[in-house]
Amino acid sequence: DTEVTQTPKHLVMGMTNKKSLKCEQHMGHRAMYWYKQKAKKPPELMFVYSYEKLSINESVPSRFSPECPNSSLLNLHLHALQPEDSALYLCASSQGLRRGDTDTQYFGPGTRLTVL
Amino acid sequence: AQSVTQLGSHVSVSEGALVLLRCNYSSSVPPYLFWYVQYPNQGLQLLLKYTSAATLVKGINGFEAEFKKSETSFHLTKPSAHMSDAAEYFCAVFTGGGNKLTFGTGTQLKVEL
Repeated sequence: DTEVTQTPKHLVMGMTNKKSLKCEQHMGHRAMYWYKQKAKKPPELMFVYSYEKLSINESVPSRFSPECPNSSLLNLHLHALQPEDSALYLCASSQGLRRGDTDTQYFGPGTRLTVL
Repeated sequence: AQSVTQLGSHVSVSEGALVLLRCNYSSSVPPYLFWYVQYPNQGLQLLLKYTSAATLVKGINGFEAEFKKSETSFHLTKPSAHMSDAAEYFCAVFTGGGNKLTFGTGTQLKVEL
């Protein structure tokens, strides 16, 4: 089973709201990722957690706050977002191999976020 | 830095025709390469991956890709297109020596009757 689940599927929020996106996997993977994908564009990496520790932050604005409570869960906390943050947010997971470039990533279905 | 280039942002084929989606890589060492497919309003699904074990890689849904070092290419093919193949296809490569996956710009495949 290579399933990564994400909730909610759709989210509409105002610029003053606080919301969270959730991602879960039960494949025993130890690396988890957040990507942002704008329409007609490829996904762009935001954050990487490896063994529950933040290992990569691609200079993402502080209004996006990731959290990895345990090896199966990944959250993305959202606060004071801008309309240009509207996008598909994808979560992915991988085994967390020592040699990263052989570590296949499996993606969830995404959360479609609209910021009004 | 390693990168991939996908030639042709849109490809249109007839049902039953050969599908050829192009991906060229830029790397000083043999890279690990991936093809993902994204159906409308969905996440990315892994089609196949090249990890140096074999140059011809078979994936799901009848797709395959051949790694050609001399051409720095990893083109995706399928002998006979089906309507259900209509989707966005991304070639990807790891960059930075770690687990950062960088995607090409994508190719939208349209399959016509």
